[in-house]
Amino acid sequence: ETGVTQTPRHLVMGMTNKKSLKCEQHLGHNAMYWYKQSAKKPLELMFVYSLEERVENNSVPSRFSPECPNSSHLFLHLHTLQPEDSALYLCASSQGGGRSYEQYFGPGTRLTVT
Amino acid sequence: GIQVEQSPPDLILQEGANSTLRCNFSDSVNNLQWFHQNPWGQLINLFYIPSGTKQNGRLSATTVATERYSLLYISSSQTTDSGVYFCAVDNNAGNMLTFGGGTRLMVKP
Repeated sequence: ETGVTQTPRHLVMGMTNKKSLKCEQHLGHNAMYWYKQSAKKPLELMFVYSLEERVENNSVPSRFSPECPNSSHLFLHLHTLQPEDSALYLCASSQGGGRSYEQYFGPGTRLTVT
Repeated sequence: GIQVEQSPPDLILQEGANSTLRCNFSDSVNNLQWFHQNPWGQLINLFYIPSGTKQNGRLSATTVATERYSLLYISSSQTTDSGVYFCAVDNNAGNMLTFGGGTRLMVKP
């Protein structure tokens, strides 16, 4: 499998549930990202990992918890979400190293919080 | 932070027409990318173009970094070109993209 994959593609969860989103990249990159796309807002960067270390936490609420166990995998752990957290969550990867490289995106997980 | 504005916000074309999408940004950039988001949400890379001109089939892009804008040209549009086109920039060498609001394109047969 090539590129960036995300699972699940769709997720419906209640406000008291705990779930995790998974992202895997097969491009040999060493930086990974989580973005959020809400209905009425531009795409927003949530978290950045470079060489498996978090380098950016864009004022994201603590109910979102990222984990990057290695350079190919990225998780977003979700707990006690709110209905306004319903959105498309996109994962991306790129080369890292403090320079600007092209980012490649996965297909996204469409999350609905009920 | 850097501001990114795209125009027009919405565009309707007849199949076969040409169009130009614009992206203005408020500061110098290290990275500029154009994406096409299909109806299923997938962001498809079109161009990585922090400066200069590139072409790929019916699409081409030009970034004039000194004047802080980029243009995406679509020629002989097809219905499959429909979707949302995003410009995204990074200006701090940390590769953290800031996205514009997008241009929603509809190509009618």
